[in-house]
Amino acid sequence: EPEVTQTPSHQVTQMGQEVILRCVPISNHLYFYWYRQTLGQKVEFLVSFYNNEISEKSEIFDDQFSVERPDGSNFTLKIRSTKLEDSAMYFCASLQGFDYGYTFGSGTRLTVV
Amino acid sequence: QKEVEQNSGPLSVPEGAIASLNCTYSDRVSQSFFWYRQYSGKSPELIMSIYSNGDKEDGRFTAQLNKASQYVSLLIRDSQPSDSATYLCAVSPSGNTPLVFGKGTRLSVIA
Repeated sequence: EPEVTQTPSHQVTQMGQEVILRCVPISNHLYFYWYRQTLGQKVEFLVSFYNNEISEKSEIFDDQFSVERPDGSNFTLKIRSTKLEDSAMYFCASLQGFDYGYTFGSGTRLTVV
Repeated sequence: QKEVEQNSGPLSVPEGAIASLNCTYSDRVSQSFFWYRQYSGKSPELIMSIYSNGDKEDGRFTAQLNKASQYVSLLIRDSQPSDSATYLCAVSPSGNTPLVFGKGTRLSVIA
């Protein structure tokens, strides 16, 4: 069964450093998303991406965050200057079309120290 | 503010029983409804999607939707210990718009 692949599975970074989280969505999917989940909390929407541009973003997705799809397969989330409160599980998801549920990747656990 | 509410649990049921999980949502224009299962430390895994009022069955799982009451539920028949997980209700205005998740209900199936 096709999978959404995320790397790395776990990243530890110092506060203020830049991190890039990587995702390879399912190849025939058209919509791409980043969500995050802090410990014991809800899964929260960050940003959606369609047709090579951001289609929607949440209040969390401020100027410190950016996304890109540089080569037609990878989908990346960059956090420019990490804060302690950015520590969370980050999930990439992709969607084939309107009548299908999202497929989530296995996640990247980001720990900011 | 779009909200999805779930009882956090834990909901404990004996093996073989029916587990009933409930969810309410605030956004009346919501059209797409999903149940995800999440094991501890893992990503959400889609179990069921439902788009119209009524029941939808898939194996041991039945999703029920009542848009007038803004209520969606998940029934798990013949519960197994492997069903022990957190069940997330997720809602969106249409299929490709961002999902709004509830906090999840933790289910524990006791052998």
